[in-house]
Amino acid sequence: DSGVTQTPKHLITATGQRVTLRCSPRSGDLSVYWYQQSLDQGLQFLIQYYNGEERAKGNILERFSAQQFPDLHSELNLSSLELGDSALYFCASSDIAGTPGTQYFGPGTRLTVL
Amino acid sequence: SQQGEEDPQALSIQEGENATMNCSYKTSINNLQWYRQNSGRGLVHLILIRSNEREKHSGRLRVTLDTSKKSSSLLITASRAADTASYFCATYNSGGGADGLTFGKGTHLIIQP
Repeated sequence: DSGVTQTPKHLITATGQRVTLRCSPRSGDLSVYWYQQSLDQGLQFLIQYYNGEERAKGNILERFSAQQFPDLHSELNLSSLELGDSALYFCASSDIAGTPGTQYFGPGTRLTVL
Repeated sequence: SQQGEEDPQALSIQEGENATMNCSYKTSINNLQWYRQNSGRGLVHLILIRSNEREKHSGRLRVTLDTSKKSSSLLITASRAADTASYFCATYNSGGGADGLTFGKGTHLIIQP
């Protein structure tokens, strides 16, 4: 158990809809990262938040947004969903006081867009 | 875009044999990490090797890094059925302020009992 929690585990929705994925980092970790894993694209870094502020953007679509709240949990919002957004979405957290780059992953949210 | 590329894409061996996976990457790195993913589940951090290190061990795992060739290998000795999983290399480069890891597409390892 990494200590990172994600909800929900599974999400099934229709095209055009909007969903919110939630992540709670390990206790004490200030950084949260979001990744998308799909069969064709593999694991892609989407976005990073550090202590409530956006720190870096990866391959995140404009239809997607995220935020990190004062209690350090984070939410990833996906809107105007398309079939191609079906994927596993992972959240990871890290402690900058530790070895840079080591990240702890949650169990993921499997999103299915029908 | 993928930074690391694992080779082979899939590997099937008998229990007790050693498994070797390779990873190549394109740009300079601060460190390289290996992660394991059991089917459809979260990634588990296995081992990290810094750019100034050449070899590292952790239990049955041995990782090598050749920065001149931009490549790394992961050796799992005396494999067990529980080692069946996908293995990913991930590179970390702190340049530019982004701390997101860049993953390869993974090697799917199957250990036959």
